[in-house]
Amino acid sequence: NAGVTQTPKFQVLKTGQSMTLQCAQDMNHEYMSWYRQDPGMGLRLIHYSVGAGITDQGEVPNGYNVSRSTTEDFPLRLLSAAPSQTSVYFCASSYRDRATDTQYFGPGTRLTVL
Amino acid sequence: AQKVTQAQTEISVVEKEDVTLDCVYETRDTTYYLFWYKQPPSGELVFLIRRNSFDEQNEISGRYSWNFQKSTSSFNFTITASQVVDSAVYFCALSDFRSNYQLIWGAGTKLIIKP
Repeated sequence: NAGVTQTPKFQVLKTGQSMTLQCAQDMNHEYMSWYRQDPGMGLRLIHYSVGAGITDQGEVPNGYNVSRSTTEDFPLRLLSAAPSQTSVYFCASSYRDRATDTQYFGPGTRLTVL
Repeated sequence: AQKVTQAQTEISVVEKEDVTLDCVYETRDTTYYLFWYKQPPSGELVFLIRRNSFDEQNEISGRYSWNFQKSTSSFNFTITASQVVDSAVYFCALSDFRSNYQLIWGAGTKLIIKP
């Protein structure tokens, strides 16, 4: 099992550019989520999904879109990148359809927006 | 509102000392879950423990132990005989009904173990 994979590991964007952060898991987990981590702060939830075809907003959803067409994949789209979106992004998954189980995290994507 | 407070921003101890990381949480729910995660300098997030609100037993895993006290809304983490490899940022997190069972994270405590 590869667990939770994220690509790319690093990315530099210019303001206004768009891109998709990829996240995939091979554990047949129902729950997947995206977090951002900023210095001095805990993780903040961007979007989450409790199953294929179902997504919902977290604490900081503005500027991001998600979709969940398969159980395995949960891409995060930045529509028009802004410097405030410079952060480390983590994808996570867990077996049940809520974050009450152990979350398995990907290695993270470090995004810089110039 | 739900909240997790890790008041210790950074702790520095000498190897082999015992160290306790504090976590205080706020929730109005009777059913909730508490977690500790470790983030070593390499950046990944590693699960350490999950505890539900109905299980107040303390837990020991090797040099790690956790003290869950509902009366003080605390879920503290102790490392006994610390080692340099324990250097990391440690996060406490809460999941409850009012957060729609999403994770609410503390700001983390950076632990530095000096040789």
